[in-house]
Amino acid sequence: GENVEQHPSTLSVQEGDSAVIKCTYSDSASNYFPWYKQELGKRPQLIIDIRSNVGEKKDQRIAVTLNKTAKHFSLHITETQPEDSAVYFCAAFSSGSARQLTFGSGTQLTVLP
Amino acid sequence: DAGVIQSPRHEVTEMGQEVTLRCKPISGHNSLFWYRQTMMRGLELLIYFNNNVPIDDSGMPEDRFSAKMPNASFSTLKIQPSEPRDSAVYFCASSLDREGADTQYFGPGTRLTVL
Repeated sequence: GENVEQHPSTLSVQEGDSAVIKCTYSDSASNYFPWYKQELGKRPQLIIDIRSNVGEKKDQRIAVTLNKTAKHFSLHITETQPEDSAVYFCAAFSSGSARQLTFGSGTQLTVLP
Repeated sequence: DAGVIQSPRHEVTEMGQEVTLRCKPISGHNSLFWYRQTMMRGLELLIYFNNNVPIDDSGMPEDRFSAKMPNASFSTLKIQPSEPRDSAVYFCASSLDREGADTQYFGPGTRLTVL
């Protein structure tokens, strides 16, 4: 089945700096890659996603890049703010036999004021 | 839209008791997922349904866990008998699943504590 690895597990940045979280996946049949943000005690919420026919997608301060050849994708947050502090999860959806979303282990992002 | 609804939000029970978690997906969504989240194991998919039919239950830990979806607007996850290691947050999520890969919307979760 699919295996998603996420790095780093914790990340601290100064307010205004950029943050980058990286994920790799194993199943070449994966074709959908969402990113979720989970604040303490809350549900995971989708912040951005990308499909395998696109290399990059941007939404205001958030961008995601996908390298299908290398099987890795990254989340970029620019001009970080304290409210960006949360756990971020990457995920990969395999269109193969498994047909399910596999989540990475999460990155605890802390934005220091 | 009310979003995915889960009940109860918190459940505290004693070892050996039966626990039933409930989920109402977003109206019109045809896929429903049950996840378990713990610090040690992260977010794990337990089972998912498509058009009320269980498609993959390989994530269900053992026979003590069972899930049903009797209709498009309701699903249950049952643990019988419960054990302390079942303590976790259980999330239900639903998606439209137009082409098999669509946004999953999570419910608020049920925090289960088994004493």
